[in-house]
Amino acid sequence: KNEVEQSPQNLTAQEGEFITINCSYSVGISALHWLQQHPGGGIVSLFMLSSGKKKHGRLIATINIQEKHSSLHITASHPRDSAVYICAVNKNTGNQFYFGTGTSLTVIP
Amino acid sequence: NAGVTQTPKFQVLKTGQSMTLQCAQDMNHEYMSWYRQDPGMGLRLIHYSVGAGITDQGEVPNGYNVSRSTTEDFPLRLLSAAPSQTSVYFCASSLGGGTSYEQYFGPGTRLTVT
Repeated sequence: KNEVEQSPQNLTAQEGEFITINCSYSVGISALHWLQQHPGGGIVSLFMLSSGKKKHGRLIATINIQEKHSSLHITASHPRDSAVYICAVNKNTGNQFYFGTGTSLTVIP
Repeated sequence: NAGVTQTPKFQVLKTGQSMTLQCAQDMNHEYMSWYRQDPGMGLRLIHYSVGAGITDQGEVPNGYNVSRSTTEDFPLRLLSAAPSQTSVYFCASSLGGGTSYEQYFGPGTRLTVT
């Protein structure tokens, strides 16, 4: 069983919709990261969280450490948000990241 | 800053050939790592380094070697390529020696082994 599970695997939304992507993990962590992988393949870091909530523009990330769960929200979605969103955690022991398999988002105009 | 650079972008190898994937960063980051990305699977760690002269194995190290002689460079060597090594390879770096720091990724190298 993967230590990081994401849902849904695929998501199609109409432009303007509110989107939620979920990430659950089964290990103790020191931080959780949300990444975006563009259709061209490049990966960029969106958020790094160890508690609470962070907001950047239309993106909001939350984490509940007790429930081992994080969500990424996109408000007023736009076709340029179409990408694969990846959740990654690092355990509170060691130097390694563990990645979810990603959520493929398509936003239709 | 160029960030994290990788060369080549694409490569085709025959089974048994060897090659080196290059990775460099100009941000003076201590932590560097190599991942492979395969369809339907998350990124998997191959090797990582917490500083010059220090490397360690990740989840899938077999068939790969690394070295870290400088802070800037972290090459990945395929010793004898196999079709199972067909994948997209990403190099990443971060400021700290651990992973509670933002990761910066290179553009990736798409490798096909025939």
